[in-house]
Amino acid sequence: LAKTTQPISMDSYEGQEVNITCSHNNIATNDYITWYQQFPSQGPRFIIQGYKTKVTNEVASLFIPADRKSSTLSLPRVSLSDTAVYYCLVGDTGGSQGNLIFGKGTKLSVKP
Amino acid sequence: DAGITQSPRHKVTETGTPVTLRCHQTENHRYMYWYRQDPGHGLRLIHYSYGVKDTDKGEVSDGYSVSRSKTEDFLLTLESATSSQTSVYFCAISESRGTRETQYFGPGTRLLVL
Repeated sequence: LAKTTQPISMDSYEGQEVNITCSHNNIATNDYITWYQQFPSQGPRFIIQGYKTKVTNEVASLFIPADRKSSTLSLPRVSLSDTAVYYCLVGDTGGSQGNLIFGKGTKLSVKP
Repeated sequence: DAGITQSPRHKVTETGTPVTLRCHQTENHRYMYWYRQDPGHGLRLIHYSYGVKDTDKGEVSDGYSVSRSKTEDFLLTLESATSSQTSVYFCAISESRGTRETQYFGPGTRLLVL
């Protein structure tokens, strides 16, 4: 079972900031939160990872509140090329091998 | 991009025939994974490997087998393909396991079982 909940889809316009929130109410103490991006006909690509507070890289920012039960991926000034599916992952500590579970992701559509 | 290739990239086969998909990496990563991706399901783990000749089942392993005789190669075999195995198959690699791992994905193989 996926341990995360995120919106199925989101729409935005070029130049806007996009925030995608993911709920993970049962996150375990040792779980990190990771986001992947997937373009059509390609494999997923790592975007960003964090444990708590805020993480920023050249692509995105990740905001994690103190209770860590949710996280928000922030994409500044999106362009048409940011149209993709975004997956939020936490560890699957319920599984026997700690496999990561990809949920259905959020399909972001950026319009001109 | 991580050095991961998958072959073939596209394949059409008939029900009941065996099919083998190959994943090749040049990163010398210990862990390798096979996923399938279907509309409405996201990515689902089929099998994974944690070393040469060391493999384990994932979420949807029925009807699939894997082998890893070399660090760089991970093979996925459909012993007798069925139409329900029509899907896009992705291979991934990672240096470590655990929730902090970063997986790097290959370009995918589109398989159509008629």
